[in-house]
Amino acid sequence: AQSVTQLGSHVSVSEGALVLLRCNYSSSVPPYLFWYVQYPNQGLQLLLKYTSAATLVKGINGFEAEFKKSETSFHLTKPSAHMSDAAEYFCAVGNNNDMRFGAGTRLTVKP
Amino acid sequence: DAGVIQSPRHEVTEMGQEVTLRCKPISGHNSLFWYRQTMMRGLELLIYFNNNVPIDDSGMPEDRFSAKMPNASFSTLKIQPSEPRDSAVYFCASRTWDRSNYGYTFGSGTRLTVV
Repeated sequence: AQSVTQLGSHVSVSEGALVLLRCNYSSSVPPYLFWYVQYPNQGLQLLLKYTSAATLVKGINGFEAEFKKSETSFHLTKPSAHMSDAAEYFCAVGNNNDMRFGAGTRLTVKP
Repeated sequence: DAGVIQSPRHEVTEMGQEVTLRCKPISGHNSLFWYRQTMMRGLELLIYFNNNVPIDDSGMPEDRFSAKMPNASFSTLKIQPSEPRDSAVYFCASRTWDRSNYGYTFGSGTRLTVV
């Protein structure tokens, strides 16, 4: 079985501040891990993915995430938030079968 | 590549009517997934197929829901009869088994409203 827990359903940061969205996973096999972003009334866009290569993964729009096996975590970060980053972010865990999503974290960016 | 194509984008139907959602996966992808997104339950996996064969349908809410994949380029999700609580956004995704390019690609979704 596999599952994902996203800590914090809402995160608010000021423009230019660090963005940190937390994700912890549970998987009985080495996982594939993903972060997706969803803008209002749109579909899911892949930000980045971890597939057992480098533990620090760089994605689009300046985001990156680090896979930490000892902490079963895959937190998403961005050094400096932009107003356009305001959206819903989903962490997901996959294996050779399927993929399961966390509940999502809504990011608000204040001017 | 046109990506995963879902139709219709929006569907409004009356309670009791049959609804059919359609999905065309990316050519060459081996697996296809149907997800449902609601405010209350988030993103739920309903069913997935490998090589057109249903593998796990444990997420299908009840017998009113059925899914088929008659060939590698087409899948349907049918709700009959529809109920207001089925109102949600339904996403289709496809995936390749190629480990060098592992990843899921999502369609734009179908927003279903049952009145």
